[in-house]
Amino acid sequence: EAQVTQNPRYLITVTGKKLTVTCSQNMNHEYMSWYRQDPGLGLRQIYYSMNVEVTDKGDVPEGYKVSRKEKRNFPLILESPSPNQTSLYFCASRRLSKNIQYFGAGTRLSVL
Amino acid sequence: GENVEQHPSTLSVQEGDSAVIKCTYSDSASNYFPWYKQELGKGPQLIIDIRSNVGEKKDQRIAVTLNKTAKHFSLHITETQPEDSAVYFCAASIRSSNTGKLIFGQGTTLQVKP
Repeated sequence: EAQVTQNPRYLITVTGKKLTVTCSQNMNHEYMSWYRQDPGLGLRQIYYSMNVEVTDKGDVPEGYKVSRKEKRNFPLILESPSPNQTSLYFCASRRLSKNIQYFGAGTRLSVL
Repeated sequence: GENVEQHPSTLSVQEGDSAVIKCTYSDSASNYFPWYKQELGKGPQLIIDIRSNVGEKKDQRIAVTLNKTAKHFSLHITETQPEDSAVYFCAASIRSSNTGKLIFGQGTTLQVKP
């Protein structure tokens, strides 16, 4: 089954404790992206990657890092989480030649 | 930069009625307009999209219309059913752009009452 898999689905952590949210897709998509969803703000892009070892900032990259060492994986790293990073996070992927993006089920993060 | 405004933020309709959600965009270069449905506990899923060379597209009970001159597009759901209850997001992007960046609206929570 074609899918985008995020882990964990739920995470509660404390300020300053490094964490990683994993994202994996099995569709051989070149493009992968991370979004955060906040009430009244819709989904905002954090980082995106157009292929292996190619990453770039989205609209709200501060406080986040990403890496793309393999085509299927695109982890989101919070080196020192802060409470304003409490949000619902989505990973997405698509073929570069297509516009349709496929989303993971989401990771709800709470930073205390 | 590109901005997408979506209205209303919440919409409650009776089962069988129609629902309309409207979006406006700011970048006249935008040429791809998808609509996503997000059910509780799930990620957004594409339900319909339209490209700028088309004014209207229909798929069973859902339709999308685009007015390029006014820079707005709308989602129409007819004969609504309880399973249509979800959060709906509109988005806009420049299809020729390799970044494929989607700019999302704020979302509309649709409640269909049985």
